[in-house]
Formats: sequence, C-alpha cells, structure tokens
Amino acid sequence: TQLLEQSPQFLSIQEGENLTVYCNSSSVFSSLQWYRQEPGEGPVLLVTVVTGGEVKKLKRLTFQFGDARKDSSLHITAAQPGDTGLYLCAGTGDSNDYKLSFGAGTTVTVRA
Amino acid sequence: NAGVMQNPRHLVRRRGQEARLRCSPMKGHSHVYWYRQLPEEGLKFMVYLQKENIIDESGMPKERFSAEFPKEGPSILRIQQVVRGDSAAYFCASSLTGYEQFFGPGTRLTVL
Repeated sequence: TQLLEQSPQFLSIQEGENLTVYCNSSSVFSSLQWYRQEPGEGPVLLVTVVTGGEVKKLKRLTFQFGDARKDSSLHITAAQPGDTGLYLCAGTGDSNDYKLSFGAGTTVTVRA
Repeated sequence: NAGVMQNPRHLVRRRGQEARLRCSPMKGHSHVYWYRQLPEEGLKFMVYLQKENIIDESGMPKERFSAEFPKEGPSILRIQQVVRGDSAAYFCASSLTGYEQFFGPGTRLTVL
C-alpha cells in the first residue's frame, strides 16, 4: 500500500483568503486525483493529473503534480464558504494498478 | 446522466446478520471498486471488479466478505455474520477506463 500524507490536517481561513493543501509520498504515482467530500456524502472528483509537472486550473482551484510524481498541491484563490469541505488526494501506483490509495484528508473551513 | 447509485443509504444490522450493499455504476462504466471508510479513518480500497470478474481483492478481509458484479444487475458487496467492527461507510466507485473513479453516496452500515 502506498502512503499519501496530507497537510495540514485542518485549515480554517476567512472568506477571500488563499489556501494551499499538500499531498506527499515517498512513492511514485502514475496518476493522482483530488476529491472533495461533504459530510454524509461520497467523494466528488475535482481533477486527475497524470504528467509530472502538470498544472491544471479549475476556476479558482489550481492543481499541481510534482515533477517526480510523488507530490501534489491544491491551491484555492479567494476562498468562499462554499469551498468548505474535506479535501482528499488519492493516487494510483503503476499504470496497471487502478486501486486508489487515499490520504487522510484536509478539512477546510472558510468563514464568512 | 445518473451518477453512481448505492442502496440502501443506511443499513442497520444486528451482530451475526448479513448485510448486502448494492451499487449501480454510471451508464457505460464496466469497472467497479468498493472502498470502506471506518470512523476517524481514511478511505481504504477493498475490491476491484469488472463484469463477472474479480480483478483485485487485495483489500478484502479474508473471511465473511464477498463481492460480485454480475453480467446483469448491480454490483453487490456481501458481509456475512456482521460484527460491530464492520460498522463503517462503504463507498462504491465506477470508471469507464479504470482511470478516473466516480463515487456513489455510500452506504452507512451500523451493526448493533
């Protein structure tokens, strides 16, 4: 099992501030996915990154995959209360291994 | 376009009973995954199935747990003789290619 460490575990910020969540591992991942999970619901896929150094932007969210494909970050610009939730990173090992290994998650709270 | 459907959303069983959890993948998706989220723990992979085949069951407990994905109908995760430690949220995900996984809302199992 490949381990993914997320930091910080908790993050509380004021509306309009920026935030960054990190996902790190000693293992190489063939792909890495970011999800957001609301209480009582399943994870919702935000983005998939597969190429080392890749950067993807989704409105106010920017996702980056490290050059060595061992780490990733999620940056939110001008956070809004609707961004509140549990952010999870998950990775797949080699290209023939489709099972996801999840990080423990970062709980983000955006105060109005 | 309906997403991944799981039922029931909540299931209460007494110790020793059987639990059957159902998952209907997104239309056209032939890859199904089951994950378990124990209280205060992250999501853990259990099993990966394609139609009529178990591809990877490395995360399944060796006893009492089984999964199937028949040619027709939903995927079923079956837990026999449930114990209190089986109480958790069970999530199903489906994928078109094996790559990006889309999650259902989960089944919350409570064992009394």
